[in-house]
Amino acid sequence: KAGVTQTPRYLIKTRGQQVTLSCSPISGHRSVSWYQQTPGQGLQFLFEYFSETQRNKGNFPGRFSGRQFSNSRSEMNVSTLELGDSALYLCASSFGQAAEQFFGPGTRLTVL
Amino acid sequence: AQKVTQAQTEISVVEKEDVTLDCVYETRDTTYYLFWYKQPPSGELVFLIRRNSFDEQNEISGRYSWNFQKSTSSFNFTITASQVVDSAVYFCALSLIYNQGGKLIFGQGTELSVKP
Repeated sequence: KAGVTQTPRYLIKTRGQQVTLSCSPISGHRSVSWYQQTPGQGLQFLFEYFSETQRNKGNFPGRFSGRQFSNSRSEMNVSTLELGDSALYLCASSFGQAAEQFFGPGTRLTVL
Repeated sequence: AQKVTQAQTEISVVEKEDVTLDCVYETRDTTYYLFWYKQPPSGELVFLIRRNSFDEQNEISGRYSWNFQKSTSSFNFTITASQVVDSAVYFCALSLIYNQGGKLIFGQGTELSVKP
C-alpha cells in the first residue's frame, strides 16, 4: 500500500508570494491533517479535513488555508508569504478521529 | 488547555545502553489518546504506538516498551539495548477523542543520539 505522498518536496519562494502544497493520503483514509514544523515552535497543528470539510483548525492566521477533494487529496495554501513561514510542512492521513496518523515526507518551504 | 512536555531535549548514549524518554501530558478530558512518533534524519514522522486513556497496560514491542501511568500523567518510552539506528528525534503526542480527534498536540521532542 502506498504511503502518504507530498508534492513538491522542496520549494523556494520570496516574501509576498503565495504557495500551494499538495498531499495524497493513503488509499481509504478520509482524514487529512496538516502540521508546520519549525526549530523554534516545533510541530504545530494547522488544520484537519474529513470528507471535504474542515473539521479542526489550529491557531494560524487566515493566510493559511486548505481544502480537500472528493478523492481525499488535500491542498494547503499560504498567501502573502512571510520569512517566518519557512518550515517543513507535514501532511498526515488516517481512517478517522483519533486513529493513528501516518505522515508524508513533508514539503520544505524556504521563504527568501 | 492541553499540553505535552518532553523535558529531555537531547540524550546521548552508547550502543547497547537502555534509554528512557520521558513524556508528561496535561488535559482535563478523561478520554484521549497518546502517541509516540520517531523522526529520523530523513524527516518523515514514523508512527510507533497509540494508547487510549482507558488502557494503562504497559506494552512491549521488541526492544521498545511503553509505560503509561494516569496517576502521574506520564507516558514514557524505553528502548532496550539501543542501536545506532535508533538515533532520531522522538515525539510524544496527545489527541482528544471528542471534537478534536484529528489534531495531535506534540511535545517538543527528544533528540536521541546512539553512538557506536
